[in-house]
Amino acid sequence: DAMVIQNPRYQVTQFGKPVTLSCSQTLNHNVMYWYQQKSSQAPKLLFHYYDKDFNNEADTPDNFQSRRPNTSFCFLDIRSPGLGDAAMYLCATSGQGTQYFGPGTRLLVL
Amino acid sequence: GQQLNQSPQSMFIQEGEDVSMNCTSSSIFNTWLWYKQDPGEGPVLLIALYKAGELTSNGRLTAQFGITRKDSFLNISASIPSDVGIYFCAGQNSGGSNYKLTFGKGTLLTVNP
Repeated sequence: DAMVIQNPRYQVTQFGKPVTLSCSQTLNHNVMYWYQQKSSQAPKLLFHYYDKDFNNEADTPDNFQSRRPNTSFCFLDIRSPGLGDAAMYLCATSGQGTQYFGPGTRLLVL
Repeated sequence: GQQLNQSPQSMFIQEGEDVSMNCTSSSIFNTWLWYKQDPGEGPVLLIALYKAGELTSNGRLTAQFGITRKDSFLNISASIPSDVGIYFCAGQNSGGSNYKLTFGKGTLLTVNP
């Protein structure tokens, strides 16, 4: 029944050590999104893919990159994590507009 | 840019009570969405509203898309302890490749058994 899957659910990395978060979907949706959510705040959009077209938000730091090798998978790469990048990272997908979220990956930076 | 005002920011109620929360916007949306987020989990879609004036129910939940397209409310009837969580409203204007959501700041609901 899983529709939007995120692995791992918890990720610990070291300051400055590159980390990759994964998202996959079984919905065959053409749009995939990555959000960052910090405690007691709403999700903040980092970027999204419409099919293979990448759309970066203007205020997303260059430290954050994304790859979408095929319809089902999308990756979030953080090149040099800082302490301020510790957060919940949410993947979402949409087909007809309504967004469906995955369970999230909690990132801890030591 | 578009902003959503969601209220109340938090609510503490007794089990069995009804609860209402709402969102207002400075500009119009053509879709309103309500999500619930449990601690450590992603937001789960509760209700999607696509038409101005639309009133939609999902079990004990009822939501309405305001006729002006600038507001929406969510009601929960006969609350139970598992209703605890953060409720987010979100507005959307879909078109082309732009399906961005504008989120409210959330309503933290606590239900006392």
